[in-house]
Amino acid sequence: GQQLNQSPQSMFIQEGEDVSMNCTSSSIFNTWLWYKQDPGEGPVLLIALYKAGELTSNGRLTAQFGTTRKDSFLNISASIPSDVGIYFCAGRYTANQAGTALIFGKGTTLSVSS
Amino acid sequence: DSGVTQTPKHLITATGQRVTLRCSPRSGDLSVYWYQQSLDQGLQFLIQYYNGEERAKGNILERFSAQQFPDLHSELNLSSLELGDSALYFCASSTGDSEHGNQPQHFGDGTRLSIL
Repeated sequence: GQQLNQSPQSMFIQEGEDVSMNCTSSSIFNTWLWYKQDPGEGPVLLIALYKAGELTSNGRLTAQFGTTRKDSFLNISASIPSDVGIYFCAGRYTANQAGTALIFGKGTTLSVSS
Repeated sequence: DSGVTQTPKHLITATGQRVTLRCSPRSGDLSVYWYQQSLDQGLQFLIQYYNGEERAKGNILERFSAQQFPDLHSELNLSSLELGDSALYFCASSTGDSEHGNQPQHFGDGTRLSIL
């Protein structure tokens, strides 16, 4: 079945450092999404990517949809303590007839020390 | 606040029991999705409903079922519960489905189900 390989599994960084994480798959996706999940809450959408090669920013976050449509990366610049959390990549695919679903990576746990 | 409301936030029950989880989508969203999040499996897609009709199925057990009502809220029914069903269950909603272009899914805060 489809799988997303997300790396790294965890990161421990100093405040102010830049962060990079990525997802790869053997499958092609039409949409890549990046979510952040804080303890006790649901995933919150950070960035949505709809076209191969697309580079999109949201404040200090930048994400790219790989040209092969099989990968994506997320960069966080100048990290701050509130960036702590689990970051998930997700690929959108058509499930069964006309439905749609997301497949998620296992997540990258980010810890930021001040 | 995503606009997606899930109740209850926590549920504790015993093996063999049946529970119902409820989800109210964001205003205007016609699609509802259910996901299960466990430590070992991560976030897994269960099922999607669009405007009251089942649209897609993922890794949903036969003991689980869902429906979407005319007011667009959805319920996930879990029966003959087993210890391994303990997990976070998330509902997400979006405006349309794959036939209506790309719309991102917005998640509720989940229901934590604990089976004793």
